[in-house]
Amino acid sequence: DAGVIQSPRHEVTEMGQEVTLRCKPISGHNSLFWYRQTMMRGLELLIYFNNNVPIDDSGMPEDRFSAKMPNASFSTLKIQPSEPRDSAVYFCASSSGTEDTQYFGPGTRLTVL
Amino acid sequence: SQQGEEDPQALSIQEGENATMNCSYKTSINNLQWYRQNSGRGLVHLILIRSNEREKHSGRLRVTLDTSKKSSSLLITASRAADTASYFCATDGSDYKLSFGAGTTVTVRA
Repeated sequence: DAGVIQSPRHEVTEMGQEVTLRCKPISGHNSLFWYRQTMMRGLELLIYFNNNVPIDDSGMPEDRFSAKMPNASFSTLKIQPSEPRDSAVYFCASSSGTEDTQYFGPGTRLTVL
Repeated sequence: SQQGEEDPQALSIQEGENATMNCSYKTSINNLQWYRQNSGRGLVHLILIRSNEREKHSGRLRVTLDTSKKSSSLLITASRAADTASYFCATDGSDYKLSFGAGTTVTVRA
């Protein structure tokens, strides 16, 4: 198995620009999670999908953040406009509906200048 | 919000020694998991222990769970340099959501 795939691995952008992070979950998994990790706040759940439907987006910081899952094999997390405080590592994880273990991607390190 | 809290925040040991870290949580759980994160990488699942289990082993890992005290411990025996990483406990909520603690950073000195 290829595991969870995220792209890009690193993103450097300027404040005000739109940023799109991408995730391909493990085939057959029906739950997908987006997390943000910073030194100050640790690992925070932003949003999660079940069967492509957003179930809980209470962790999304503000309206500048949006996430979509158009099909079972692809999800995006978009930040528009980006701000320096959005700088973090963003992880995507997926899990099967029959187990609780989550499988994490390698993360996208976002730097907003 | 973080449900689990790991203790200590950081741990430095000599290769071959055992490393023990603890996790405390606040609300009832169905299961508790431990994950490892190497520097610059994603989290990797290590072990899951269910609320009706008290102890579980996986290779050099031993996990205990005390639901009356709402706490868990992770023991790594005979540590190796490759065990240098951050270790997180995660507790389940509803709908397969996990709450992660702040992690314990373990450094194994050669």
